[in-house]
Amino acid sequence: DAKTTQPNSMESNEEEPVHLPCNHSTISGTDYIHWYRQLPSQGPEYVIHGLTSNVNNRMASLAIAEDRKSSTLILHRATLRDAAVYYCILRANYGGSQGNLIFGKGTKLSVKP
Amino acid sequence: EAQVTQNPRYLITVTGKKLTVTCSQNMNHEYMSWYRQDPGLGLRQIYYSMNVEVTDKGDVPEGYKVSRKEKRNFPLILESPSPNQTSLYFCASSLAGALPRELFFGEGSRLTVL
Repeated sequence: DAKTTQPNSMESNEEEPVHLPCNHSTISGTDYIHWYRQLPSQGPEYVIHGLTSNVNNRMASLAIAEDRKSSTLILHRATLRDAAVYYCILRANYGGSQGNLIFGKGTKLSVKP
Repeated sequence: EAQVTQNPRYLITVTGKKLTVTCSQNMNHEYMSWYRQDPGLGLRQIYYSMNVEVTDKGDVPEGYKVSRKEKRNFPLILESPSPNQTSLYFCASSLAGALPRELFFGEGSRLTVL
């Protein structure tokens, strides 16, 4: 199964942009890139996902490399509430392989006031 | 309100005493899955189900059973719990089909096996 590699931790200052990297060198052509985050004492929550093109939503932006072997989650202005563990996962777009998801350890983002 | 509900949220039990953690979703999702989260190990998938009566092993299925008799429910069964199953458990659901859909997670069930 395709896996992702993320830094264990990152720090940011409040109101500054944050770029969270993810490497997925074994990604297949039909894998979507998903990002989730887990706030303290909560279940993970969806942030954003994409296939090839960059994506924007109200929470974040997702920049996907042209060869799709890496991606970056961008928080445009970090707030204290963005302190969380961020997970980058790959999800196949068909059949049973949609089901087996590998989350890993994610990146713990700390935000300083 | 769209949600994934897990019960119990907290449980302390003893080795060998069978227990079931229930998971229910009200979004008519085909896909449901269970994860355990342990310090330093991240989220690991236990079992998943693509639809009713269809279940598959994830990465750490040993010591667990699941069933999917109805679309909304996906219980996790520990037939003979052991201390190494002490963990924080999450259930998740999503639509399935040709395009991947976002996962919705429950609030978690913290299990302690003595």
